[in-house]
Amino acid sequence: NAGVTQTPKFQVLKTGQSMTLQCAQDMNHEYMSWYRQDPGMGLRLIHYSVGAGITDQGEVPNGYNVSRSTTEDFPLRLLSAAPSQTSVYFCASSYSGGRASGRARNEQFFGPGTRLTVL
Amino acid sequence: RKEVEQDPGPFNVPEGATVAFNCTYSNSASQSFFWYRQDCRKEPKLLMSVYSSGNEDGRFTAQLNRASQYISLLIRDSKLSDSATYLCVVTGSSNTGKLIFGQGTTLQVKP
Repeated sequence: NAGVTQTPKFQVLKTGQSMTLQCAQDMNHEYMSWYRQDPGMGLRLIHYSVGAGITDQGEVPNGYNVSRSTTEDFPLRLLSAAPSQTSVYFCASSYSGGRASGRARNEQFFGPGTRLTVL
Repeated sequence: RKEVEQDPGPFNVPEGATVAFNCTYSNSASQSFFWYRQDCRKEPKLLMSVYSSGNEDGRFTAQLNRASQYISLLIRDSKLSDSATYLCVVTGSSNTGKLIFGQGTTLQVKP
């Protein structure tokens, strides 16, 4: 198993550009999420999904879109990049007890991260 | 007030020392609690879950005090390889599985 993979590892954008951060997992996890990590702030939840076709907002969703057309993939789209979106982005997945419960099991597995700089 | 608060440190300790980290959380309805470890410029990884009865995994002991909304992690006989940032994590009150992270406590173990 590759686990959780993220591409690209590094990206530099200009203000106003759009891009998609890719995330994929091969563990058949139903629950997937995106976090951003900034110095002194810890990880903050951007968006999450409890299964294919279902997404919801986290703590800091503005400026980001997600979709979940398959169990494996959960891309994060930056619509119009801003310097405030300079950060390290982590994708994570975990086993869910079932879509009806919307509950994730304990351990979330993280991808290696994408380091994004917006100039 | 942050939902999960930790002393960011850094904690600088010699090898072999015992060190304790504390964490407080604001949501009394939080259901699950964890410690994650994050090495420099790497992704977080689960260190251990925290149970009301307390739990131990080798040199690591985690404790939960629901009444005080307080979580602790004790590391005995510190090793150089324990140097990392330790993240206190709680779930919210709803059953969505969302995790709320503290900002982390940095530990440096010196020879």
